[in-house]
Amino acid sequence: DAGITQSPRYKITETGRQVTLMCHQTWSHSYMFWYRQDLGHGLRLIYYSAAADITDKGEVPDGYVVSRSKTENFPLTLESATRSQTSVYFCASSVTGGTEAFFGQGTRLTVV
Amino acid sequence: KQEVTQIPAALSVPEGENLVLNCSFTDSAIYNLQWFRQDPGKGLTSLLLIQSSQREQTSGRLNASLDKSSGRSTLYIAASQPGDSATYLCAVSGGSNYKLTFGKGTLLTVNP
Repeated sequence: DAGITQSPRYKITETGRQVTLMCHQTWSHSYMFWYRQDLGHGLRLIYYSAAADITDKGEVPDGYVVSRSKTENFPLTLESATRSQTSVYFCASSVTGGTEAFFGQGTRLTVV
Repeated sequence: KQEVTQIPAALSVPEGENLVLNCSFTDSAIYNLQWFRQDPGKGLTSLLLIQSSQREQTSGRLNASLDKSSGRSTLYIAASQPGDSATYLCAVSGGSNYKLTFGKGTLLTVNP
C-alpha cells in the first residue's frame, strides 16, 4: 500500500527490554520524523532524518536510537525500555524540509 | 523556543453551525503552518498547509488563514457535521530541523 505505515500498531514490553518500532514510506520523501504523543505534553519530536544516513536529535532523544540506511525506512529503537517511554509514537515524512508532513497511524507502546 | 497555543481546548456545537478554531504561535520565523485532524486512537490527517508567504488556504468546507506577523491562524469550518467531531491540531514548521511544533489541540464535538 502506498503511504506511510508503522508497525506494530500495539506493543507491550517489559522494563529493560529492547524494542524497535518500524516506519516505512513509499513516497521516497527525504525527511522523516519520529514524534511521541503524551497527555499534557502533546506531540514532541524525538529524532529526525534529512536523508539516508543523516539523522539528528530532536527535543526528547534520550533513551532512543534511530538509523536510516534506506530512504524508505526509519526504525526507532528503545535500547532499554522504561515506563516513562509508554506513549503513542508517530512517524512522519515530508518531501523536503518545510513541506507538508504526512503521518503514520501510530504505535501504542506500553512498558510494564 | 516556539510555543503554540490553541483556543478553545474544547468546543461543542450543534450541527450546521459555522465555527472558528484559533491557533497562536510565539516565533514568526516559520516555514509553514499545518492543520491536522486526529480521531480517537488514530493518526494525524493533514487538512490544510499554509506556506509562510500565503495568507489562506481552502479545502471544501475548511478555510485556514495565517497572519504570520501577529503569530495567528484560524481554521474556519462551515456548516459543521457530526462527522467533523475530532481533535484539531495546529502545528508550525521552523528551525534548522524543520520540526513541527504542535499545539495541544481543540476537541470538537458536533451534536446532531
